[in-house]
Amino acid sequence: QVQLVESGGGVVQPGGSLRLSCRTSGFTFSTYGMHWIRQAPDKGLEWVAFIDPNKNYEFYTDSVKGRFVISRDNSKNTLFLDMNSLTSEDTAVYYCVGDYDYWGQGTLVTVSS
Amino acid sequence: DVVVTQYPLSLAVTLGQSASISCRSSHSLVSGDGNTYLHWFQQRPGQSPRRLIYKVSNRDSGVPDRFTGSGSGTDFTLTIGRVEAEDVGVYYCLQGTHWPPWTFGHGTRVEIK
Repeated sequence: QVQLVESGGGVVQPGGSLRLSCRTSGFTFSTYGMHWIRQAPDKGLEWVAFIDPNKNYEFYTDSVKGRFVISRDNSKNTLFLDMNSLTSEDTAVYYCVGDYDYWGQGTLVTVSS
Repeated sequence: DVVVTQYPLSLAVTLGQSASISCRSSHSLVSGDGNTYLHWFQQRPGQSPRRLIYKVSNRDSGVPDRFTGSGSGTDFTLTIGRVEAEDVGVYYCLQGTHWPPWTFGHGTRVEIK
């Protein structure tokens, strides 16, 4: 069956960095556009970043441009999100999402001193 | 950016009664390819979101037929006929026509009276 398993979340100080990973299986990862979606505590869903299947283009929400980088390894069916210069506003559960068909269980990122 | 306004913010429904959630876009969501990329998601308490309806009115696999999507252009509706206890949660619409960014509605919380 389809699985998307995020990892890499945790507690980080303001200004710090984290790398999120999302291992996938059960679908043809290399043909799917992939997104990171986040949800701050008790808030709604917010699109964060997108990468196309062939890594030709990436898009970011304005608040993370220049700080976050989305990437993928199609040989390992894995999606990544490199997050730098983190602030408290980045505290959220981060979901790995395949073309909105498939969602992971999420990984919590907490930015706090 | 396209603004998606979802209402109401919350809804209390009697079991077995119907419920409707509306989503209004600041721009027509008809794409150049003729499709309308307006989708609906359900997030049950403590769970990841899952898509219920894609492209306005197409039910995802395994979604009960009491969930119906309708609408066109800028105005869309998700109707839950004969609400059941398992329908409790937050519902989001998402526009995927004018991207980036992909934009979610703020969510509608459905509870049982």
